[in-house]
Formats: sequence, structure tokens, C-alpha cells
Amino acid sequence: NAGVTQTPKFQVLKTGQSMTLQCAQDMNHNSMYWYRQDPGMGLRLIYYSASEGTTDKGEVPNGYNVSRLNKREFSLRLESAAPSQTSVYFCASSVTAYYGYTFGSGTRLTVV
Amino acid sequence: GENVEQHPSTLSVQEGDSAVIKCTYSDSASNYFPWYKQELGKGPQLIIDIRSNVGEKKDQRIAVTLNKTAKHFSLHITETQPEDSAVYFCAASVNSGGYQKVTFGTGTKLQVIP
Repeated sequence: NAGVTQTPKFQVLKTGQSMTLQCAQDMNHNSMYWYRQDPGMGLRLIYYSASEGTTDKGEVPNGYNVSRLNKREFSLRLESAAPSQTSVYFCASSVTAYYGYTFGSGTRLTVV
Repeated sequence: GENVEQHPSTLSVQEGDSAVIKCTYSDSASNYFPWYKQELGKGPQLIIDIRSNVGEKKDQRIAVTLNKTAKHFSLHITETQPEDSAVYFCAASVNSGGYQKVTFGTGTKLQVIP
């Protein structure tokens, strides 16, 4: 009963470096999401994938790219990290968006 | 677009008392309202949800009410316990261009004092 698994849990990057955040779910959910959480700003949607083979921009997509590798996996890539991308990143999945989300435990990213 | 406002931002209650968190939304077409609990260092966890065709839903010590006319919904926790201490987020979901768009509130930090 793993649910949603995110890796890594912590990461420190230098400005300009790139990295990929990994997310996998084992609940056979159709929809997957990437959010960032910043103090006082709640959860903001970066990208989502309504179903396997589709991805769309959310509220704050600039500086990020995503890949829905298969039904289980949805990765988030930072091509050239900036200090403004310092945040806690959460992956989530749901049967569809009309149902509640299951969130992963998060990745705490610091860009220096 | 949808706007969700959540109040209060912080709430302290004595153990055993009730806690109420309120949210308002702007889009009258919103049709799904989940609530999440986030403990320190963890991801948010769905605790209860309500759909627009229902006015109230209860699950043990937790209840949610929805007033579609006034466009507000509330989370009620009775007989609070220290383990209820966490940040709570409300959300409103609306169908937008074939996709169910979810907007979160900014969270309420609940502290239950033993």
C-alpha cells in the first residue's frame, strides 16, 4: 500500500543545474499532478496529466517540464534551476479530478 | 477564475472543544469540495469531501457543511484531540474545459492545547 512515492525527499541544487523529480503511484489512478507549496501561498498547480499520454500546464508552469512516462509515473524536470524554485514539491494522483487526491510525502528543494 | 478564501489562518482550541474552519468560493459552478489535513513534514491527506448535491456530511468527529447559495463551506471537528493539530486545507473543484480544476485555500493551522 505504497500510494504515491516521490524521490528524492531532499535536494540542494546550484543555480543553473538541472534535475528531475520522480513520482510513481500504484493505485491505477488516471490523473496525476505536480504542486509546489510555499509559505502563505497554499498549493499551486505546476502541471497535470488528466490521463496517460496527456499533459497540461497548471497555474505556475514556467521553468518546468513534465513527462507522463506511463500510467504509474509522472516526472517533473527543472532544466535550469533558479532560487525562485526553492519550494516543497508534491506529486498527487486521483481516479479523476472529480475525486480526492492522494499526495506523496514531498520533495524539499533548495536552489542556492 | 475560481478564488477560495479560508479563515482563520490560525486557530487554537483546548482539547475537547470544537474547531470550525470556514471557506468561501467564487465560482457558483464548483461541484466538489474536499478537505485535506497536513501534518508537519508530510503531504496533505484527504479527510473528508462533499459534493454539490449534498448539504452536510459527517465522519465520526469530522463534519463538513455546504451552503451553495452563500458559496461557503465549513469543516467542523468535535471533541478535538492533540493529534488533530495540523494544517487544514479546503479546496473547490469546478469543471473547466472538460477538466476538473481544483483551487486550494491557503490553509488553517490548528493547534489543540492539551
